[in-house]
Amino acid sequence: DVKVTQSSRYLVKRTGEKVFLECVQDMDHENMFWYRQDPGLGLRLIYFSYDVKMKEKGDIPEGYSVSREKKERFSLILESASTNQTSMYLCASSLSDTLRGDIQYFGAGTRLSVL
Amino acid sequence: DAKTTQPPSMDCAEGRAANLPCNHSTISGNEYVYWYRQIHSQGPQYIIHGLKNNETNEMASLIITEDRKSSTLILPHATLRDTAVYYCIVRVTLNGNQFYFGTGTSLTVIP
Repeated sequence: DVKVTQSSRYLVKRTGEKVFLECVQDMDHENMFWYRQDPGLGLRLIYFSYDVKMKEKGDIPEGYSVSREKKERFSLILESASTNQTSMYLCASSLSDTLRGDIQYFGAGTRLSVL
Repeated sequence: DAKTTQPPSMDCAEGRAANLPCNHSTISGNEYVYWYRQIHSQGPQYIIHGLKNNETNEMASLIITEDRKSSTLILPHATLRDTAVYYCIVRVTLNGNQFYFGTGTSLTVIP
């Protein structure tokens, strides 16, 4: 079974703090993603990565950065947390297979509260 | 990616089959139909996907109409643990593209 592990389920931080959200996958997937999910807005893509040291902006990258130094690990960084970054953060990974279709596997999510 | 339309909510009696419909009338020939579900406060879980043919796995069956304009996800014997929001997504298989989750169908399995 594919496993995508997010380091924390719940996190409480103060405004202005630097926040690291870690995600690890164990299936040697090339692609990794960070989404945030807010009520009424669905899932929105923040950043994604096709390979080690590669990153691409998603729909809402402002206020975030990412790091992918190893294939299995994708980190989301909030440089200076703000209250409007209070949200559920979801990490996903996928292995693109043009014959079978690519499937994204999600972690359990990290619920971040910024006070 | 083609737009999908799902009913906002459905109920199903425990032990009965749950049939969740999805309309995707603008689907193009190279777009797959994916189904995910999200149980409250957890990440989305992949269920099944298909292109043209009906598909079955240990979780569910996917029935795609011949014209591919609609599909139905079937949970053959619903349990209380199947209570979740179910998302139907239509997309082209591209290298690492994101999934766009709409509002889905909130399925409640009733004892």
